[in-house]
Amino acid sequence: GESVGLHLPTLSVQEGDNSIINCAYSNSASDYFIWYKQESGKGPQFIIDIRSNMDKRQGQRVTVLLNKTVKHLSLQIAATQPGDSAVYFCAENGTGRRALTFGSGTRLQVQP
Amino acid sequence: DTGVSQDPRHKITKRGQNVTFRCDPISEHNRLYWYRQTLGQGPEFLTYFQNEAQLEKSRLLSDRFSAERPKGSFSTLEIQRTEQGDSAMYLCASSTPGRTEAFFGQGTRLTVV
Repeated sequence: GESVGLHLPTLSVQEGDNSIINCAYSNSASDYFIWYKQESGKGPQFIIDIRSNMDKRQGQRVTVLLNKTVKHLSLQIAATQPGDSAVYFCAENGTGRRALTFGSGTRLQVQP
Repeated sequence: DTGVSQDPRHKITKRGQNVTFRCDPISEHNRLYWYRQTLGQGPEFLTYFQNEAQLEKSRLLSDRFSAERPKGSFSTLEIQRTEQGDSAMYLCASSTPGRTEAFFGQGTRLTVV
């Protein structure tokens, strides 16, 4: 079956450091991946996405890396700020599927 | 505010009562999704609309749940005879053709007591 999982439930970093949040997926047919940020009491907020024909994509302070060989993707946040504290979800989709499949999330805690 | 709007934000209801939630998607988005999220978990897909047509329903959507999108714009999700296990955050998302990313609303937090 398909599943999307995260390696670490909680990640604590110092303000200013870089953060790396990892995600593994199992469905070889997955061809679209997306990271969301969710703050307490709010809906998920789109951060960045990547298609399977790419292995890296950069946004503002964020980079997503995709390794299709080992079915792994990561979200890198540069110069982590207190406002980055939230739960981060990876999600995936594939041909013929209309909805995203989410992992269980990683909580990022930024220490001042 | 041109984002996805959900109403109400919070709902407390007694077990056995019916509840209805509303979602207003981003205006040019013809695709609308409902998800359910329990504490500490990622959102789980419930159902999908393209315009007014409900094209997909998850097995999570029991016969007590019904969703509509009568004019292809706003959508409603109704839960009949609520149970304590229905307590969760109900999220609505919308997207536009050609773009896979979905934009979420703030959700409706349901508590069944």
